[in-house]
Amino acid sequence: EVQLVESGGGLVKPGGSLRLSCAASGFTFSSYSMNWVRQAPGKGLEWVSSISSSSSYIYYADSVKGRFTISRDNAKNSLYLQMNSLRAEDTAVYYCARDLSSTSCYGIDYWGQGTLVTVSS
Amino acid sequence: NFMLTQPHSVSESPGKTVTISCTRSSGSIASNYVQWYQQRPGSSPTTVIYEDNQRPSGVPDRFSGSIDSSSNSASLTISGLKTEDEADYYCQSYDSSNQVFGGGTKLTVL
Repeated sequence: EVQLVESGGGLVKPGGSLRLSCAASGFTFSSYSMNWVRQAPGKGLEWVSSISSSSSYIYYADSVKGRFTISRDNAKNSLYLQMNSLRAEDTAVYYCARDLSSTSCYGIDYWGQGTLVTVSS
Repeated sequence: NFMLTQPHSVSESPGKTVTISCTRSSGSIASNYVQWYQQRPGSSPTTVIYEDNQRPSGVPDRFSGSIDSSSNSASLTISGLKTEDEADYYCQSYDSSNQVFGGGTKLTVL
């Protein structure tokens, strides 16, 4: 059974940093691209970032480019999102999600349960 | 970047059929696969359609997806509606470097 378990969310002040983690199990993690998708309270889904299976291809939404960094450790079956210079508008539930592809990033087949990030003073 | 536009809400009675549209603003809808996600209140999203019209295992065949190049849109059709289908539905597609979600459609089954 595919499992994606996010951690690392919490309350942080504007301008602060946070690192999210996603522990994957139940599949060959190194064979899949991975994604972060977020959802602000009461709002829709917003794609944040994607990384290919070997980290060769990395993509970011314009809203986070230059502030967030996606990475993965295939030996630890883990996905990460380093978030710097956080803003109030980054407040959201962040989902880790497995991509349908290994080499590109075009859609999602499995989602985690999400971790809440709140940016507030 | 392109946008995906969905109706804000739709409603239909149990046992009926409903179709949710997703219109791409620029670029051909047929050029990149479209996925559909269901999100019930208080839950994470789940995938109900991938690659335009493919159903993941466990998704009932009441759910189907299609694309229409003439209207540059994708559609999710749910037949034999059940109260458990009441949820938010999101379409999603991509281009060379971005993934894009539609704004979501709230389906009410009443």
